[in-house]
Amino acid sequence: EVQLVESGGGLVQPGGSLRLSCAASGFTFSSYAMSWVRQAPGKGLEWVSTMIGSGGSTYYADSVKGRFTISRDNSKNTLYLEMNSLRAEDTALYYCAKKGFCGGAHCYFDNWGQGTPVTVSS
Amino acid sequence: EIVMTQSPATLSVSPGERATLSCRASQSVSSYLAWYQQKPGQAPRLLIYGASTRATGIPARFSGSGSGTEFTLTISSLQSEDFAVYYCQHYNNWWTFGQGTKVEIK
Repeated sequence: EVQLVESGGGLVQPGGSLRLSCAASGFTFSSYAMSWVRQAPGKGLEWVSTMIGSGGSTYYADSVKGRFTISRDNSKNTLYLEMNSLRAEDTALYYCAKKGFCGGAHCYFDNWGQGTPVTVSS
Repeated sequence: EIVMTQSPATLSVSPGERATLSCRASQSVSSYLAWYQQKPGQAPRLLIYGASTRATGIPARFSGSGSGTEFTLTISSLQSEDFAVYYCQHYNNWWTFGQGTKVEIK
């Protein structure tokens, strides 16, 4: 059974930093692209970032490019999201999601974690 | 950037009735379209991918259709557990979600 467990969320001041983690199990982690998707309170889903399985190519939404960095440690089956220069509008529940069965990195998300909340406020 | 527009924003349906949700892409996404269901306090769940393929364990009352720019999610006979928010998402060389359609009890 696929399991994705996010951690690392919390309250941070504007301009601050936070590092999120997503521990994965139940599948061959290194074989799948992994993504972060966020959801602001009462709002819809917003794709944030994706990293391919080998840890090479990365993709970012314009709203976070230059401030967020996605990475992974395949030896630990863990995905990360380093978030810097945080803004109030980054306040959201952050989900990690596993790529489905597609040929390339661009794919639907077939498994999701339960999310970790990030609040940016002074 | 491809914009995904869902309609209606809210759909009021009685249990046992059919629900039809629409999703429009600002340019063609071929069949690279997925649908997700999200209930309050829960993570999204994959329903449909490739515009029309049901994900593992998804009941047959859920069906997807369309290609290019126009897509539809149909729930043939709404059950109590189907009242939720539904999102479409394209994954044609990028990823964008629609704003969601809330299916509520009439």
